[in-house]
Amino acid sequence: SAVISQKPSRDICQRGTSLTIQCQVDSQVTMMFWYRQQPGQSLTLIATANQGSEATYESGFVIDKFPISRPNLTFSTLTVSNMSPEDSSIYLCSVLPGGRGEKLFFGSGTQLSVL
Amino acid sequence: QKEVEQDPGPLSVPEGAIVSLNCTYSNSAFQYFMWYRQYSRKGPELLMYTYSSGNKEDGRFTAQVDKSSKYISLFIRDSQPSDSATYLCAMSEGSGNTGKLIFGQGTTLQVKP
Repeated sequence: SAVISQKPSRDICQRGTSLTIQCQVDSQVTMMFWYRQQPGQSLTLIATANQGSEATYESGFVIDKFPISRPNLTFSTLTVSNMSPEDSSIYLCSVLPGGRGEKLFFGSGTQLSVL
Repeated sequence: QKEVEQDPGPLSVPEGAIVSLNCTYSNSAFQYFMWYRQYSRKGPELLMYTYSSGNKEDGRFTAQVDKSSKYISLFIRDSQPSDSATYLCAMSEGSGNTGKLIFGQGTTLQVKP
């Protein structure tokens, strides 16, 4: 298993500002991901955070809006840029500790409200 | 049409009841099926996972996959108030979990004492 810590757990932000969310894992993991959970909607994959290279974004998500860093095998950040009320959501970090075929673990999430 | 459909509920049952939660899907390439439980203000927690068709049992929980009907189910026997949570079905293509999961909307379950 993996213990995932996300910071902040919640935040209220003003329109037009940016917020960086941190994800720290207690052990080295092969794969890390960022998901979004909008109110009343399904959990949706934003991107795969690749260690040492640019993140791989899913359809509908772009780097300018959601820049991601992954400097090592235990840490990643997601930035939500130029926020609007539509970005109000829960953002979740997830990991596959052993790579493909293993169980996907989630952090507790960051509850973001944009005014 | 969404790739994965799940009735959001809410579903309310008395303690001790058998609960049936279901999802349908449209992508025949899905091979790996999971159920997650999510308590309020917590991240999803993996309950069950199944590869391809068949049944899998773990304690009070049974997961069923019917690929011919594109239908998956989670049964909870002897439900407890502590089972009150949102249950998410999730799926992926390929022979293992790639981390790229397609989720249902989640069903909110309340088990009343």
